[in-house]
Amino acid sequence: GAGVSQSPRYKVAKRGQDVALRCDPISGHVSLFWYQQALGQGPEFLTYFQNEAQLDKSGLPSDRFFAERPEGSVSTLKIQRTQQEDSAVYLCASSLGAGADTQYFGPGTRLTVL
Amino acid sequence: QKEVEQDPGPLSVPEGAIVSLNCTYSNSAFQYFMWYRQYSRKGPELLMYTYSSGNKEDGRFTAQVDKSSKYISLFIRDSQPSDSATYLCAFVYSGSARQLTFGSGTQLTVLP
Repeated sequence: GAGVSQSPRYKVAKRGQDVALRCDPISGHVSLFWYQQALGQGPEFLTYFQNEAQLDKSGLPSDRFFAERPEGSVSTLKIQRTQQEDSAVYLCASSLGAGADTQYFGPGTRLTVL
Repeated sequence: QKEVEQDPGPLSVPEGAIVSLNCTYSNSAFQYFMWYRQYSRKGPELLMYTYSSGNKEDGRFTAQVDKSSKYISLFIRDSQPSDSATYLCAFVYSGSARQLTFGSGTQLTVLP
């Protein structure tokens, strides 16, 4: 079956632009996570959904970052007024249940802010 | 002090060598211990998952956890060029939180 997919794979934005990053999790997966991975670093947690409910957004770095999963499947991470420090790979992961199940990662969206 | 410390490498070994990758952690609330492999321009993929001290073996890979020393290791036997990737240790807290806390990754190159 299909894995986690993300689009676009690459995004270049001018500073100040808004961007929207999409994640299609594995069908039927309850949990969805967003992570940010800076160059040469491990991924860092941003936010977590269980179905359509956003249960944890403690990792979002500022109020410019917003995530949604309105129907409990596809999720969108939106970044408003992008800054150069937002340049990173944004990874989405999904897992089958609500427990500490295996997280399956997508290939990521590489965002470059000029 | 960071919650997780991982030597970034890079680490370069000849084909067939035994590779040892290590992480230390400071948070006693970590309950699950994992190793992920990440190829260039790909997402991480799970290699090993354990929740107890001791060793767990899967093919050429062995994960070792020492909770008393807050130290985890991944051993790769008979390393292959296809093992060339970045290896990330990852942890999950006990309780309701389910997000992964990653190390910074060790870049491994296995030379043919």
